[in-house]
Amino acid sequence: DAKTTQPPSMDCAEGRAANLPCNHSTISGNEYVYWYRQIHSQGPQYIIHGLKNNETNEMASLIITEDRKSSTLILPHATLRDTAVYYCIVRVATGNQFYFGTGTSLTVIP
Amino acid sequence: DAGVIQSPRHEVTEMGQEVTLRCKPISGHDYLFWYRQTMMRGLELLIYFNNNVPIDDSGMPEDRFSAKMPNASFSTLKIQPSEPRDSAVYFCASSRSDRVHTGELFFGEGSRLTVL
Repeated sequence: DAKTTQPPSMDCAEGRAANLPCNHSTISGNEYVYWYRQIHSQGPQYIIHGLKNNETNEMASLIITEDRKSSTLILPHATLRDTAVYYCIVRVATGNQFYFGTGTSLTVIP
Repeated sequence: DAGVIQSPRHEVTEMGQEVTLRCKPISGHDYLFWYRQTMMRGLELLIYFNNNVPIDDSGMPEDRFSAKMPNASFSTLKIQPSEPRDSAVYFCASSRSDRVHTGELFFGEGSRLTVL
């Protein structure tokens, strides 16, 4: 039941900002946007989440459009260790199921 | 802090054999999730527990799969009998009540199962 659309792959130069887009045009008013990433051979790792306001933490920033139909995850200074598959997920806050979809494979290039 | 611990990391078995995967959640976490990841289907939720009680097992593929959580620090996922199509990476994740609704699940490193 993937409710998000992401590009299958992206490249980013090391040290530059990586901007990963996500389309969630059918998002409901009570659904949050979550981002996870999965580095090769590891389990997924929580990055950030938001409802309608932009959010920032030590890992990334999340920019959500005013109509909430799309969002962008920003890694401000990408490093080689940020090479991973990034998943954008929407779900209600009281739900316990995450549908990960296929994500965006980000490659950070030296 | 110890994270979610899964064992074995790798398992190779023959079709028809019983497979048991184990998970130790982070201490203090009261939610535990079992996921399966394949190239074809991506990450799928199989079952999750709250306070050791199974809440939703609708993702369990069939009766060959069973999961238990006898106490707050241990869970098993059993496949009997195993089939080649069960080959996948199985992840366990845990979370706390005050974090699960914010989406912060902590995943283990997974158990890679190969059924020949």
